[in-house]
Amino acid sequence: QVQLQESGPGLVKPSETLSLTCAVSGYSISSGYYWGWIRQPPGKGLEWIGTMYHSGSTYYNPSLKSRVTMSVDTSKNYFSLKLSSVTAADTAVYYCARQVNGYNSNIDYWGQGTLVTVSS
Amino acid sequence: QSVLTQPPSVSAAPGQKVTISCSGSSSNIGNNYVSWYQQLPGAAPKLLIYDNNKRPSGIPDRFSGSKSGRSATLGITGLQTGDEADYYCGTWDSSLSAGQVVFGGGTKVTVL
Repeated sequence: QVQLQESGPGLVKPSETLSLTCAVSGYSISSGYYWGWIRQPPGKGLEWIGTMYHSGSTYYNPSLKSRVTMSVDTSKNYFSLKLSSVTAADTAVYYCARQVNGYNSNIDYWGQGTLVTVSS
Repeated sequence: QSVLTQPPSVSAAPGQKVTISCSGSSSNIGNNYVSWYQQLPGAAPKLLIYDNNKRPSGIPDRFSGSKSGRSATLGITGLQTGDEADYYCGTWDSSLSAGQVVFGGGTKVTVL
């Protein structure tokens, strides 16, 4: 059974960089699929942040692209998200997830989510 | 403002049927597959329907999906109290050069 688990600071100061990691178990990232992030502000809907393949190809939400960096570590079977210059609008529950392919919205496995609050 | 439009809420009595619409454009639903997600209170979203009308293993056939033109529909029959949740449609949008996954604003299903 594929499982994903997010980890990272729950509080980030404005203008700083949000950094999260997603540990994957039950499946080897290097075997395929795309791995990415979705966020959900409190009481609001879902927003796709982006996804990447283990080889390094990435697809980012155009509205966030200038601030987003994703990376993968196949040796440790985890992937990461960095979001720079955060503001209060970036406060959200961040989910890591497995996406079936880069041009499709099939997201078949999700982490439990981690709340990140941007505040001084 | 979501790219895909869903009704904010729908409701029905136990055992009844509800349908949730999701409307978009030619750059998203019109030319790409649609997925549907169920988000129970306090939980992560769960894939209910993919490729317009396919159900992942373990999803009961009470849930169904369809697509016509630039719109998609999720149907839930035999409504149960455990179906109370937020439901989201999603698809790929290719209106920008890079493309992205887009979601609807979500529909809250209430079992009366």
